[in-house]
Amino acid sequence: DTGVSQDPRHKITKRGQNVTFRCDPISEHNRLYWYRQTLGQGPEFLTYFQNEAQLEKSRLLSDRFSAERPKGSFSTLEIQRTEQGDSAMYLCASSPRVNPSYEQYFGPGTRLTVT
Amino acid sequence: GNSVTQMEGPVTLSEEAFLTINCTYTATGYPSLFWYVQYPGEGLQLLLKATKADDKGSNKGFEATYRKETTSFHLEKGSVQVSDSAVYFCALTSSPSGGGNKLTFGTGTQLKVEL
Repeated sequence: DTGVSQDPRHKITKRGQNVTFRCDPISEHNRLYWYRQTLGQGPEFLTYFQNEAQLEKSRLLSDRFSAERPKGSFSTLEIQRTEQGDSAMYLCASSPRVNPSYEQYFGPGTRLTVT
Repeated sequence: GNSVTQMEGPVTLSEEAFLTINCTYTATGYPSLFWYVQYPGEGLQLLLKATKADDKGSNKGFEATYRKETTSFHLEKGSVQVSDSAVYFCALTSSPSGGGNKLTFGTGTQLKVEL
């Protein structure tokens, strides 16, 4: 079963450091999404790719955040100059091009702790 | 904009009790509606879905009916088990903008089932 995978699963970093997370979607899924989930809340949309093109970004995605999907396969999410408020679970999801029910498949998430 | 409101938890039930978790929504267009479940230490899993009014989604004994007139998608199960203990998220996606279909989630409802 090759679901969505994310790496690392956990990351502890000091405030001000840069971090990068990776997401590998289900193969042949051309759509990829990033969400952020803070404790006790539902996931919030950050950004969306169709193939290698980043088509939508949330206002939650400040200038310190950047996401890429260079070859339309895996994606990376980088946070520069981390702040304590960045502590959250970062979730990746993917979906196929033909998707009449708009279903998304989620990875296990990367839990970021900024100390 | 889109929003989802679901009942606050935690909800504590005895095994074999009847479960209802309320969910109401506000959306533009004609949303698809979802229930996702998050077991402790795991990622989000799609539990069930409904793509148009009066559709009933069902899976693992859980059911939810898309009620357009009341903008609701309440989750029900006739007899819960200890293994159903998890956090349940109601979510929606509306007609895609820019080709994408970002999910809007509720805040989640924690369910704890006791023997």
